[in-house]
Amino acid sequence: DVKVTQSSRYLVKRTGEKVFLECVQDMDHENMFWYRQDPGLGLRLIYFSYDVKMKEKGDIPEGYSVSREKKERFSLILESASTNQTSMYLCASTRDRPTEAFFGQGTRLTVV
Amino acid sequence: RKEVEQDPGPFNVPEGATVAFNCTYSNSASQSFFWYRQDCRKEPKLLMSVYSSGNEDGRFTAQLNRASQYISLLIRDSKLSDSATYLCVVKYENNDMRFGAGTRLTVKP
Repeated sequence: DVKVTQSSRYLVKRTGEKVFLECVQDMDHENMFWYRQDPGLGLRLIYFSYDVKMKEKGDIPEGYSVSREKKERFSLILESASTNQTSMYLCASTRDRPTEAFFGQGTRLTVV
Repeated sequence: RKEVEQDPGPFNVPEGATVAFNCTYSNSASQSFFWYRQDCRKEPKLLMSVYSSGNEDGRFTAQLNRASQYISLLIRDSKLSDSATYLCVVKYENNDMRFGAGTRLTVKP
């Protein structure tokens, strides 16, 4: 069974903290994505990666960075968490063709 | 303007009704198209791909109009279990993947 695993389901962090969200996939997929989902706004792309060490900015990269040192792992980093980064974060992965994307279960991050 | 736009709804329909969702995309470089379904507090999951010639999967029919940059999803004979948010997705040649904000459907007895 295919799997995308996010390290935490729920996370509470303080303003100014550095936050790491981890995502691991076991399907040998080339592409991995980080989205945030907010009511009324849907899924907005933060960053995606099409290969190890390669990344592309999405719609809302400000305040975030990413790291992909290994094919199976894609990390999202909030350099200095702010309250407006409170959201549901979803990781996804796909192959290099028009096929299905698989999502992790999501991390609900609250910044206080 | 958002790259992928959907009517947010909500759509409230009785069981057995036919309901249609529309989606427009702004980037003509879009390569492939999908409809995803997201249940409350769950991650999105693929409902169906959308092919240029249109395609059907049981009660679900998806259509694509590249000239108008428009995608649709038709659900016939709605069931209670169809209640969910339906997300329109476009994928580009570089594998970038963008979602619409979703259309919420509630099917009532």
